[in-house]
Amino acid sequence: NAGVTQTPKFQVLKTGQSMTLQCAQDMNHEYMSWYRQDPGMGLRLIHYSVGAGITDQGEVPNGYNVSRSTTEDFPLRLLSAAPSQTSVYFCASSFHRDYSYEQYFGPGTRLTVT
Amino acid sequence: LAKTTQPISMDSYEGQEVNITCSHNNIATNDYITWYQQFPSQGPRFIIQGYKTKVTNEVASLFIPADRKSSTLSLPRVSLSDTAVYYCLVAMDNYGQNFVFGPGTRLSVLP
Repeated sequence: NAGVTQTPKFQVLKTGQSMTLQCAQDMNHEYMSWYRQDPGMGLRLIHYSVGAGITDQGEVPNGYNVSRSTTEDFPLRLLSAAPSQTSVYFCASSFHRDYSYEQYFGPGTRLTVT
Repeated sequence: LAKTTQPISMDSYEGQEVNITCSHNNIATNDYITWYQQFPSQGPRFIIQGYKTKVTNEVASLFIPADRKSSTLSLPRVSLSDTAVYYCLVAMDNYGQNFVFGPGTRLSVLP
């Protein structure tokens, strides 16, 4: 199993550009989520999904869109990039079963917005 | 969501046992306690979870007192490779499964 994969690993955008961060998992996990991590801080939840066709907002959803058309993929779209979105983005997945909180994280995408 | 409080940083020496305590005073009845480890430039990795008393796996032990208002992650005989940030999280029941990550505890293991 490849686990959780994210592409690209690094990205530089200009203010106002849009792009999509890709996330895929091959573990048949129902639950997937996106976090951002700013320097020296913990992770903050952007959006999450409990299954294909179902998404919801996390703590910091503004400026981001998600969709979940398949179990495997959960892309994160930046609509109009801003310098405040410079961060490291992590995708995670897990089974959606009672009282199991082992989430598997991808390697991250380091995004810089100039 | 229950808020957690942990020390910002800790230092230890190789071979010592390290205990990191997390406070979660407003933990709810259905909440579980979960610990993650994060190395630089990597995503967090699950270490251990528990509800009450003691849980042990091949990596760590988790001690939870009866009132569940705190928990202690115990790492036996740490090595340099245990230098990382450790996060204590309190998760809701499974439908939400949303975590709130605080700044974590930065553990530095010295030779």
